[in-house]
Amino acid sequence: NAGVMQNPRHLVRRRGQEARLRCSPMKGHSHVYWYRQLPEEGLKFMVYLQKENIIDESGMPKERFSAEFPKEGPSILRIQQVVRGDSAAYFCASSPRVNTEAFFGQGTRLTVV
Amino acid sequence: RKEVEQDPGPFNVPEGATVAFNCTYSNSASQSFFWYRQDCRKEPKLLMSVYSSGNEDGRFTAQLNRASQYISLLIRDSKLSDSATYLCVVTLTGNQFYFGTGTSLTVIP
Repeated sequence: NAGVMQNPRHLVRRRGQEARLRCSPMKGHSHVYWYRQLPEEGLKFMVYLQKENIIDESGMPKERFSAEFPKEGPSILRIQQVVRGDSAAYFCASSPRVNTEAFFGQGTRLTVV
Repeated sequence: RKEVEQDPGPFNVPEGATVAFNCTYSNSASQSFFWYRQDCRKEPKLLMSVYSSGNEDGRFTAQLNRASQYISLLIRDSKLSDSATYLCVVTLTGNQFYFGTGTSLTVIP
């Protein structure tokens, strides 16, 4: 059973471009979470999704950021018109049921130049 | 007020020492509790779940005190490989995972 897979591992974007981060949860997991971690800071919740539904997006900036988890395929975190402040590690986690442990992918490190 | 609060440390302890971390949570409706460990620039990894009755896994013991709303992690006989950041995690009814900012541990030879 493969773990949570994130790609790309590293992503460089120029200011104003779009960044697309992908997350394939563990097999059998229907709950997906996205977190952002700035250098020397803790994990900040962004969004929680189940298949085809956004359950909680309270941690996601209202503008430029969006997330989806379609019926088929990976979850996507999209950042439009990236700015330098978006540079961070973005981690995805998945869990099989509510209130059970979540497992993390290796993260995508986004650098905006 | 933050959902989860941890002492950031750093804790610097010699090999073989016993070290304890505490974490407090603000919402009495919190349902599940976990400790994760994160090595520098890597993904968090589940260390152990925390149950009301307390649980032990080798050198690691976790305790939950619902009345006082805190969680603890005890590491006995510290190893160099225990050096990491330890994250306290709490879930609420909406299944959102709240992470503390982490406690840094360095085990010194």
